[in-house]
Amino acid sequence: AQKITQTQPGMFVQEKEAVTLDCTYDTSDQSYGLFWYKQPSSGEMIFLIYQGSYDEQNATEGRYSLNFQKARKSANLVISASQLGDSAMYFCAMREGRPNQGGKLIFGQGTELSVKP
Amino acid sequence: KAGVTQTPRYLIKTRGQQVTLSCSPISGHRSVSWYQQTPGQGLQFLFEYFSETQRNKGNFPGRFSGRQFSNSRSEMNVSTLELGDSALYLCASSDQGPDTQYFGPGTRLTVL
Repeated sequence: AQKITQTQPGMFVQEKEAVTLDCTYDTSDQSYGLFWYKQPSSGEMIFLIYQGSYDEQNATEGRYSLNFQKARKSANLVISASQLGDSAMYFCAMREGRPNQGGKLIFGQGTELSVKP
Repeated sequence: KAGVTQTPRYLIKTRGQQVTLSCSPISGHRSVSWYQQTPGQGLQFLFEYFSETQRNKGNFPGRFSGRQFSNSRSEMNVSTLELGDSALYLCASSDQGPDTQYFGPGTRLTVL
């Protein structure tokens, strides 16, 4: 069965430093997509970055990059130059199957990131 | 473009009642998915609608139902509410091409 594991319930990082949030996944599908979302205390889920299983290059979006290691089934999120506004819950999620076949996302338990001034 | 909107934002109901939540997707998006978020179970997929048809369904009892209208707006209904239905209900929409799901602010339901 498909599964997402985030082993860090909480993390602290100093402002302006980089931080890596871990995510491992389990699937038997060859085609899948991996997503990272940020959830501030307000509750809204904010999309950060996407990596497709066939993408050869690691995805990057501004200060966010995804360290995709397919053989190890890991999709770690790297946030560079942390800001106070980055303090939030971060969720890793996976969609099995090809795009456009349905919107079921499986989520990990999340990592609460706290950025210290 | 305006983002995903959900109404109401907060709701208090008592056990046994029913509730209807509404979601308006991003303009042009035809897929709408619903998720339940609780401290104990985390984020769980409820169902997905595409072009007015349910395309995927999670493992929730039949008390949870939904529908989608021709303008892609979606509603979810929970009948015979239980205390355990207290949760944040999130709606997400996606486009046919890139299937990234964009979430609304959620409806926080409290069942007393």
